[in-house]
Amino acid sequence: EDQVTQSPEALRLQEGESSSLNCSYTVSGLRGLFWYRQDPGKGPEFLFTLYSAGEEKEKERLKATLTKKESFLHITAPKPEDSATYLCAVRFYNQGGKLIFGQGTELSVKP
Amino acid sequence: DTGVSQDPRHKITKRGQNVTFRCDPISEHNRLYWYRQTLGQGPEFLTYFQNEAQLEKSRLLSDRFSAERPKGSFSTLEIQRTEQGDSAMYLCASSAPGQTTSQYFGPGTRLTVT
Repeated sequence: EDQVTQSPEALRLQEGESSSLNCSYTVSGLRGLFWYRQDPGKGPEFLFTLYSAGEEKEKERLKATLTKKESFLHITAPKPEDSATYLCAVRFYNQGGKLIFGQGTELSVKP
Repeated sequence: DTGVSQDPRHKITKRGQNVTFRCDPISEHNRLYWYRQTLGQGPEFLTYFQNEAQLEKSRLLSDRFSAERPKGSFSTLEIQRTEQGDSAMYLCASSAPGQTTSQYFGPGTRLTVT
């Protein structure tokens, strides 16, 4: 069964302390990997799409990378406003249009 | 900028009542998706439409759930005879034509069944 697993479940950082979030998936033909940010009580906000191993995308303090089995979301010098849940989702070739989500990583950045 | 909109944002209902939610996608997007999210979990796929055709339904979508997109624009999700286990955030997303385009989510409808 196609699965998406995120780690850690929760991450507490001090402001300026860089770190990475992980998203791993079982492969049955990756059509795209997506990162979203979700604030409490709100819908997921689109961040990045990655399509092939070796691809990288950047936005402000965030950088997403993709290998054949996993993706990393690197957060450089985070600020308190980066606190949110970060969701990873995958679209597989044999799964139609739907996204399969991981459970998310809850990031807290303290000043 | 008109993103995906959902109405209502919050709904409290008693067990056994029917509820209906509405989603308006981004105007040029032909695909529309419904997901359900419970606390501490990622969204789970329910169903999706391409234009007015419902192309896929999850086994999570019991016969109490029905979704429509009659003219290929807005969509409705109805839950009949609600149960406490239906309490969740119901999310709608839309995407532009193409096999690999990104999905953009609305703010969600928070359903509480008492």
